[in-house]
Amino acid sequence: GDSVTQMEGPVTLSEEAFLTINCTYTATGYPSLFWYVQYPGEGLQLLLKATKADDKGSNKGFEATYRKETTSFHLEKGSVQVSDSAVYFCARTATGGGNKLTFGTGTQLKVEL
Amino acid sequence: GAGVSQSPRYKVAKRGQDVALRCDPISGHVSLFWYQQALGQGPEFLTYFQNEAQLDKSGLPSDRFFAERPEGSVSTLKIQRTQQEDSAVYLCASSLEVSRAYEQYFGPGTRLTVT
Repeated sequence: GDSVTQMEGPVTLSEEAFLTINCTYTATGYPSLFWYVQYPGEGLQLLLKATKADDKGSNKGFEATYRKETTSFHLEKGSVQVSDSAVYFCARTATGGGNKLTFGTGTQLKVEL
Repeated sequence: GAGVSQSPRYKVAKRGQDVALRCDPISGHVSLFWYQQALGQGPEFLTYFQNEAQLDKSGLPSDRFFAERPEGSVSTLKIQRTQQEDSAVYLCASSLEVSRAYEQYFGPGTRLTVT
């Protein structure tokens, strides 16, 4: 079935460090892929998306490229800030065109001064 | 405008009680989703509405879970005879267009604790 696997956290970085959070998905169908972010005490927010292979989603300095050959959608940012501290969820749409999303387990990012 | 709102934000129920969780989607949003998020896990799909029609309820874990959206706006998720394993955060999300229903806006969630 559909699934998404993310690297476990927490990931702890110093401010201005480079960030990578790995995400892979099961190679079923032609999913759209997403990264959602959950800041402390807030709801999930869509961070970026990619709807087909080789698309690059980007927002707020974060990027992720839809790699069909490696079934991956890794999240990257060149220089993290303390305000980026949050839980990041990778997600995909369901096989068969359904609108429901399948999420990974989330990766907590902590950025320190 | 206002985002998705959910009430109550926190609910404590004794095992065996019935609970009702409310979701107010963004005005005009056609699609509405409910997800369940256990501690330390990602959200898991429960059910999906397009306007008032419940098109997918494949994620509801048992017949104790029931959802409705009678007028195509506000939705209620009802859990009967709550069990401890029902303790989780229940998230509601809405989406403007059916064709892009994967772009979902989430509410803050209702944290349900069953004692």
